[in-house]
Amino acid sequence: QKEVEQNSGPLSVPEGAIASLNCTYSDRGSQSFFWYRQYSGKSPELIMFIYSNGDKEDGRFTAQLNKASQYVSLLIRDSQPSDSATYLCAVLGSSASKIIFGSGTRLSIRP
Amino acid sequence: DVKVTQSSRYLVKRTGEKVFLECVQDMDHENMFWYRQDPGLGLRLIYFSYDVKMKEKGDIPEGYSVSREKKERFSLILESASTNQTSMYLCASSQGTHNSPLHFGNGTRLTVT
Repeated sequence: QKEVEQNSGPLSVPEGAIASLNCTYSDRGSQSFFWYRQYSGKSPELIMFIYSNGDKEDGRFTAQLNKASQYVSLLIRDSQPSDSATYLCAVLGSSASKIIFGSGTRLSIRP
Repeated sequence: DVKVTQSSRYLVKRTGEKVFLECVQDMDHENMFWYRQDPGLGLRLIYFSYDVKMKEKGDIPEGYSVSREKKERFSLILESASTNQTSMYLCASSQGTHNSPLHFGNGTRLTVT
């Protein structure tokens, strides 16, 4: 079992709709959770981080964390073509020594 | 804004060459990391450092070494480059707190022929 799992996609969402990206992790003691966006040929850029159970909103983005289910998600409201990218979920494990990345979900927003 | 600068955007090297990839950050971050990214495999941690002259192996350290002589600079060394080290290499830094996010450089695409 991979430590951090994401559906590779591609996930295709119509413009203006809500895109929902999901991530599960295996280390129950994981402490911190991050979402990065990566455009093709570019390096990852941080979108959001979340540490506590529940929702955290920032503009069109909402991160949701459920530690009991070992599940973290990212919702993108009013999806725009510029949101088309690969989204990486990253988790800081219980050892707190390093951040583990999922392999990413490719999101495509169709006009 | 945090700036993480990688010395080269593209590099082409021959098999057996010794290769140096340089990374500098300007935010006085304690932690620095080297990842490689390959299609279908995601980001894999090679080495990381939590302090000057300190280093720890990540998940795939074989064939690599690192050097951190100054806080702002973290170098990745390929002792004898091989074709399976052709990849995108990403340097990142973060503050000393354990839950700080990573800030990435622009990456170096290395091709070994």
